Formats: sequence, C-alpha cells, structure tokens
Amino acid sequence: DAGVTQSPTHLIKTRGQQVTLRCSPKSGHDTVSWYQQALGQGPQFIFQYYEEEERQRGNFPDRFSGHQFPNYSSELNVNALLLGDSALYLCASSSRQGQGEAFFGQGTRLTVV
Amino acid sequence: TQLLEQSPQFLSIQEGENLTVYCNSSSVFSSLQWYRQEPGEGPVLLVTVVTGGEVKKLKRLTFQFGDARKDSSLHITAAQPGDTGLYLCAGAEDGNQFYFGTGTSLTVIP
Repeated sequence: DAGVTQSPTHLIKTRGQQVTLRCSPKSGHDTVSWYQQALGQGPQFIFQYYEEEERQRGNFPDRFSGHQFPNYSSELNVNALLLGDSALYLCASSSRQGQGEAFFGQGTRLTVV
Repeated sequence: TQLLEQSPQFLSIQEGENLTVYCNSSSVFSSLQWYRQEPGEGPVLLVTVVTGGEVKKLKRLTFQFGDARKDSSLHITAAQPGDTGLYLCAGAEDGNQFYFGTGTSLTVIP
C-alpha cells in the first residue's frame, strides 16, 4: 500500500517562471491538501481539494492554483515565481470519513533563483 | 493567523533527560495530531487525540489533550538522539483542515 507520493523531489526554477508539483494520495483517501513550509517554520495551509474542487483556501495569492483529478491525485501550480516562493511544498492526504488524520508525502523542495 | 502556539521553539537536552513540549490555542479542535519531521522530509504522524482529557502513550512518548480540547502536551521520557527532530502539533477544526503549530526543534545530545 503506497503512501503519499510527491514529484519531483527537488526543483530549481528561475524567478518569473511557472511550476507544477504533483501528488498522489494514500490509497483510500479522497482529500488532498497542500502546504508551504519555509525553512525553520511550521507548514502553512495553501488549499484543499475534495471531489475535484477547491474547498478551502489559506492566505495565498491567486498565483497559487491547483487541480484534483478523478483518481484523487492533485497538482499545485505556481505562476510568476518569486524568490520568496522557495520552500518545501508538502501534500497531505486524508479521508472525509476519517478521524481527521493527515498523512504527508516527503515534499518537493522548490528553489527559485 | 497562527492558531496554534508551541513552546519552547528550540530545545537542546542531554540524552536521558525528560522534556515536555506544549501546544496552545484559543480555538477548540475536533482532533489534534502530533507529527515529527526530519530535515528535508515530510512530517510523520505520531498520534491523534480526539477526546478532551485523553492521554495516549507511544513507548517513551506521552501525549495529552486538554479537557477543553484547546491545548495539548507531548512528554518524552529518557530522550535519545533518535528523538531529534521538529515536533509539530496540528489541530483540525472540521476534521479536514489542519492548522499547524510553530514547531519545536528538539536536539538530543549523546
């Protein structure tokens, strides 16, 4: 039973470019949440997808967008990259029917230069 | 807005010592999770507590959920170097959106 998988593991982009990160949730989970974690900080909630729709959103600009596919996998897109977007991006999967537990992938380390 | 405050933010102790990490909020949570994260990795779930006053033990780790479900503590007995990491608490308000604490970075010195 595969856990949460994210790709790629590392990525280097230039300021102004666009990036797409991918996440496959844990088997049996239907909800995917994305977090941004700056060095030395706790994860900050970006948004959550359920039934292919964005259900909740944190305090992030519209440059951050996402998508969820029928197989529950998800993408996070960031446009017009800024240096400050450099961070570890974490995907968490959970089940709407569950006890409120989230399981995380290993993250994607994004560096914007 | 940071809903969960953790203390201390940094902790460096000798192997064999005991320690307690606190997670406090003014919000009531339906459940609260504790995670441990190592550098460059995603957080790994340690425990979930859902009932006010609940105490759970995981080997040398003891987790407690406050009676009002607004706060929690993590106590580690006889800390070992393998306990080194970033400890995060996360509260769920509606069962699906998680708010993370600021984190406690623990270093256990052999």
